[in-house]
Amino acid sequence: QITLKESGPTLLKPTQTLTLTCNFSGFSLNTGGVGVGWIRQPPGKALEWLALIYWNDDTRYSPSLKSRLTITKDTSKNQVVLSMTNMDPVDTATYYCARRGFGELLGTAWFDPWGQGTLVTVSS
Amino acid sequence: DIQMTQSPSSLSASVGDRVTITCRASRSISVYLNWYQQKPGKAPKLLIYAASSLQTGVPSRFSGSGSGTDFTLTISSLQPEDFAAYYCQQTYSTIYTFGQGTKLEIK
Repeated sequence: QITLKESGPTLLKPTQTLTLTCNFSGFSLNTGGVGVGWIRQPPGKALEWLALIYWNDDTRYSPSLKSRLTITKDTSKNQVVLSMTNMDPVDTATYYCARRGFGELLGTAWFDPWGQGTLVTVSS
Repeated sequence: DIQMTQSPSSLSASVGDRVTITCRASRSISVYLNWYQQKPGKAPKLLIYAASSLQTGVPSRFSGSGSGTDFTLTISSLQPEDFAAYYCQQTYSTIYTFGQGTKLEIK
């Protein structure tokens, strides 16, 4: 069974740096094609893809947030960490991590499963 | 970036109705399109991947179709547990993007 769980601060002040950890089990980030992504969702709004790290340490970031994001992995601990600098109240959201699954035949990819999410509030 | 546009943004329907949600990509994404269902307070759940492949455990009343730029998610006969938000996502580009969502409500 594959599970993921996010952890980190629930409340931040503006300009602080957010550090979130995704602890996962049931798969290895050493396996070719596998990745872990971060997605956020402001209250009442749509999903927004943030970042993705692949088994080979390749990383991808949302262009609009790239300058503020860093994603890293520790395969020995089965962890992926997302950092976001200069937090603002508009960054208040539930943050999810999810496993990147893929189809070998076509190279298609998807997120499954997802963690339960963690609500991060930014307020002075 | 590839923009994903869903329509409608919200939809009211009754149990037993057939419902179709549309997702359009700003450029061709082949079949690199996924659909997710999200219930209030819960994480999204994968329904359909690669445009038309049903995820294991998802009821067969859900189906997906399309390729290129136009895609549809169809629920053949709405059940009470299907009232939720639905999101499409493209993974053709390495910069993944989601649609803005469709909220399916009970009429």
